[in-house]
Amino acid sequence: GPKVLQIPSHQIIDMGQMVTLNCDPVSNHLYFYWYKQILGQQMEFLVNFYNGKVMEKSKLFKDQFSVERPDGSYFTLKIQPTALEDSAVYFCASSLLGQDTQYFGPGTRLLVL
Amino acid sequence: QQQVRQSPQSLTVWEGETAILNCSYENSAFDYFPWYQQFPGEGPALLISILSVSDKKEDGRFTIFFNKREKKLSLHIADSQPGDSATYFCAASPGGNYKPTFGKGTSLVVHP
Repeated sequence: GPKVLQIPSHQIIDMGQMVTLNCDPVSNHLYFYWYKQILGQQMEFLVNFYNGKVMEKSKLFKDQFSVERPDGSYFTLKIQPTALEDSAVYFCASSLLGQDTQYFGPGTRLLVL
Repeated sequence: QQQVRQSPQSLTVWEGETAILNCSYENSAFDYFPWYQQFPGEGPALLISILSVSDKKEDGRFTIFFNKREKKLSLHIADSQPGDSATYFCAASPGGNYKPTFGKGTSLVVHP
């Protein structure tokens, strides 16, 4: 089936540094999403993105977070500066339309020290 | 506040048995309920879904039973296979699959 890729698979950084998580969505999809999953907890919605804009974000999407997809390249999640509580697995997803099936990437495991 | 709850946290069955995974929710506005299957090292993949206007949805060995009045649903996996061993997430959202709320998942192990 359609594949969503995420780069890198793992990232370790020091608290306060900036990190960018990259997502290569399914090629013809128009809607993009980020989710956060802390170990042992449920996956939680962060943000969705369409036509170059954030459509909706949750309270977990702090001011230090930003998303963009410049010129149809990677859909990115940037965290600046990072905090210890940002340690989690971040999943990217994409869908053709907003109501459609979301296809998830394998996740990026972020550890903030 | 956990809006989508799953039980049991883990489940072990023998090959050929029916595995039953339970899910409940609190928000009456939820009307779309997808179940995701996730293997280690991979992202979740949509397995089967149901709308609140239905009380049952079948797809091969996978069946969702939905009780709107009690705000409960369950995923039945008939003739379980070792390849079904995975974590299963119940999710819920209002107005389609736009912003799903996930449960914590049920880890299923199917012994041969």
